[in-house]
Amino acid sequence: AQSVTQPDIHITVSEGASLELRCNYSYGATPYLFWYVQSPGQGLQLLLKYFSGDTLVQGIKGFEAEFKRSQSSFNLRKPSVHWSDAAEYFCAVGGMEYGNKLVFGAGTILRVKS
Amino acid sequence: GAGVSQTPSNKVTEKGKYVELRCDPISGHTALYWYRQSLGQGPEFLIYFQGTGAADDSGLPNDRFFAVRPEGSVSTLKIQRTERGDSAVYLCASSLLLASYNEQFFGPGTRLTVL
Repeated sequence: AQSVTQPDIHITVSEGASLELRCNYSYGATPYLFWYVQSPGQGLQLLLKYFSGDTLVQGIKGFEAEFKRSQSSFNLRKPSVHWSDAAEYFCAVGGMEYGNKLVFGAGTILRVKS
Repeated sequence: GAGVSQTPSNKVTEKGKYVELRCDPISGHTALYWYRQSLGQGPEFLIYFQGTGAADDSGLPNDRFFAVRPEGSVSTLKIQRTERGDSAVYLCASSLLLASYNEQFFGPGTRLTVL
């Protein structure tokens, strides 16, 4: 079955430090890949998405992610974390094999130390 | 413009009761999705609509769950004979078109608590 794995339940980084959140997927064809962020009381907000082409994609709020087919990964990165980045981050996958729905990982909670 | 709105934001009910959760999608969005997010989990797909019709309801857990979108805009998720295991945040999303590459815009969710 298709699945999305986010191995880290919690991550704590210091403000100004770099960040990488991991995401691995299992999928037969080329997936559509997404990263969403969820702040308390807020809806999910799309940070970035990958469909095809350049495997390094830029998103909002200074985030980027790299699609690596050989590793079935789509890790999210940010060079310098701000306190306002503290939230929960979800990786999701879509595509022909999923119909039109998204399959989400369990999420990674990011804490930022000042 | 307005985003996706959901009402109520919180709903507390007793086991066995009936509840309705409402979703107002972004104007002009033809596709509407319902997801359920349990504590510590990512959202799980329930059902999506293209216009008025349910195009895929394979995620509904059982026949106590039903959703409608009679005029192709507002949708209502209906849960009969609620159980404690139904407690979760119910998320609604909409997209301009029904296609997996289309960005889904999410509402803030309805937190359902079944006592």
